[in-house]
Amino acid sequence: EDQVTQSPEALRLQEGESSSLNCSYTVSGLRGLFWYRQDPGKGPEFLFTLYSAGEEKEKERLKATLTKKESFLHITAPKPEDSATYLCAGRGNTDKLIFGTGTRLQVFP
Amino acid sequence: DGGITQSPKYLFRKEGQNVTLSCEQNLNHDAMYWYRQDPGQGLRLIYYSQIVNDFQKGDIAEGYSVSREKKESFPLTVTSAQKNPTAFYLCASSRAGQGAAYEQYFGPGTRLTVT
Repeated sequence: EDQVTQSPEALRLQEGESSSLNCSYTVSGLRGLFWYRQDPGKGPEFLFTLYSAGEEKEKERLKATLTKKESFLHITAPKPEDSATYLCAGRGNTDKLIFGTGTRLQVFP
Repeated sequence: DGGITQSPKYLFRKEGQNVTLSCEQNLNHDAMYWYRQDPGQGLRLIYYSQIVNDFQKGDIAEGYSVSREKKESFPLTVTSAQKNPTAFYLCASSRAGQGAAYEQYFGPGTRLTVT
């Protein structure tokens, strides 16, 4: 059965303290690995799609990477406005996205 | 501005009543999706549609129904048969293509409370 697992569940960082969020997946025939940001009470906002192992994408303080078993979302020198829940999802041989339960990030000034 | 709209933002209903959630998109996307989000759980797929007048059940379709009469619209009805309907409901859309993995764009969500 396809599965996506995110860790840690929650992460507290001081402003400027870089860290990484993990997304482990077992998705048959992975065709895309997606990262989203979700603020409380709002819909997820698309960040990145990664298609193959070794691929990397960057946006401001965020960089997403992909291996054959996991993806990382690296956050460099985070600011309080980066506080949100970050969701990972994989799409394999079916038409469906398989979502992880998310990592809740809090960045303190 | 292109995007997805969901209405209403908050919805309150009594147990035993059917309720319909609206989802409209102007992104010209062929595929549309309905998810349910509960605390501590990942998004779970209720129904999806790849083309007008066609839709498929997702992982938790029991107690829900949908229609896709127009490309822009994909309303979701939560029926009285749904045992635990209180949740945050999210609509999404994407391009469609055989075997392609296109990103999905989400609406702002509807929070449904049934008492």
